[in-house]
Amino acid sequence: DIQMTQSPSTLSASVGDRVTITCRATQTIGTWLAWYQQRPGNAPKLLIYRASILESGVPARFSGSGSGTEFTLTINSLQADDFATYYCQRYNAYSWTFGQGTKVEIK
Amino acid sequence: ELQLVESGGDLVQPGGSLRLSCAASGFSVNSIYMTWVRQAPGKGLEWVSLIYGGGATYYTGSVKGRFTISRDGAKNIVYLQMTGLRLEDTAIYYCARGRGNYYPYFDSWGQGTLVTVSS
Repeated sequence: DIQMTQSPSTLSASVGDRVTITCRATQTIGTWLAWYQQRPGNAPKLLIYRASILESGVPARFSGSGSGTEFTLTINSLQADDFATYYCQRYNAYSWTFGQGTKVEIK
Repeated sequence: ELQLVESGGDLVQPGGSLRLSCAASGFSVNSIYMTWVRQAPGKGLEWVSLIYGGGATYYTGSVKGRFTISRDGAKNIVYLQMTGLRLEDTAIYYCARGRGNYYPYFDSWGQGTLVTVSS
């Protein structure tokens, strides 16, 4: 089974910072990767799919990149709304695997 | 407006059964991927099961043979029948809609329903 590992597990940042979260797959997955944001007490929200395509309505300060086994989610100019936990997810025709999550905390 | 509303979560004893429902509005559950994802208390997300528009179903290994995903197109509801429940099945269960030209990712989520397995 393909495993997904995110780093760091926790990230402390300030409003206005640029933050980067990394997601690594144990096998190549092309660009079949999505990113989700989950605020406390809320359901996850799709941010990015196909590694770099921004979901409609998601602010442009979010961006994704990567292919194969290494991917990044970047948040430019962190806003108060962005303090949340972020998950990567690899997907194919028959199984879906999430990373363990990265919590973005207020410094 | 697209909406997903889960229900059916409850406290159940180990070995027991439960059926979760996910009522959809704004689209047809017959024509799209639908999935269940769970989150144990304080933990990350775990994909549980998915049903294709064509009816094919998939499950994560730990629930195979115990959980069954199905749908009622007339009621526009997706179900997750859970049997042989274990302590480790305790979680919030989210239903979500899948989208994608090739492989589905999950673009809309319900607010979840809590399943607690405890004696």
